[in-house]
Amino acid sequence: QKEVEQDPGPLSVPEGAIVSLNCTYSNSAFQYFMWYRQYSRKGPELLMYTYSSGNKEDGRFTAQVDKSSKYISLFIRDSQPSDSATYLCAMSDPGEYGNKLVFGAGTILRVKS
Amino acid sequence: NAGVTQTPKFQVLKTGQSMTLQCAQDMNHNSMYWYRQDPGMGLRLIYYSASEGTTDKGEVPNGYNVSRLNKREFSLRLESAAPSQTSVYFCASPTGNSAWNTEAFFGQGTRLTVV
Repeated sequence: QKEVEQDPGPLSVPEGAIVSLNCTYSNSAFQYFMWYRQYSRKGPELLMYTYSSGNKEDGRFTAQVDKSSKYISLFIRDSQPSDSATYLCAMSDPGEYGNKLVFGAGTILRVKS
Repeated sequence: NAGVTQTPKFQVLKTGQSMTLQCAQDMNHNSMYWYRQDPGMGLRLIYYSASEGTTDKGEVPNGYNVSRLNKREFSLRLESAAPSQTSVYFCASPTGNSAWNTEAFFGQGTRLTVV
């Protein structure tokens, strides 16, 4: 079983829809929770991060963490075609030799105009 | 400010050939990582280096070696390439070693095909 599970999609929605992306994890040692966005043929870029249970908002994006359930979510409001990308959840694992970032498989999102 | 630079961007190898992927960062970060990305598998950690002079295995280290040449450079070597190593390789450098600073900056990737 992978430490981080994420539905790879693809997820296809109409422009303006609310998008919900989710990950579950099994390692209680994970401390920080992040969402990366990756456009085609590019490297991932950090979108949001949070380190506590609860919600964090940034414009149209809301990151939600529930440590008791080991479940994180990313919500995108008023989705735009420019949001079409792969979204990867990532978690910080305080390993013996320094932090490691563990990623989910990534969810492909397509927003149709 | 280039961030993380990877070379080459594309490479085709024959089975059994060797090659080294180069990565350099100009952000003065201590840590550097090598990931591979395959469809449906996400980013899987090959090796990482928490600081100059240290390296450690990640999730999928078999068939690879690394060298942390100095603080800026972290190379990944395939000694005898196999078709299973066909993938997109990303070098990344996080802002810090502690849990407080884990934003990772990624290079543009190296698309490697082994035939």
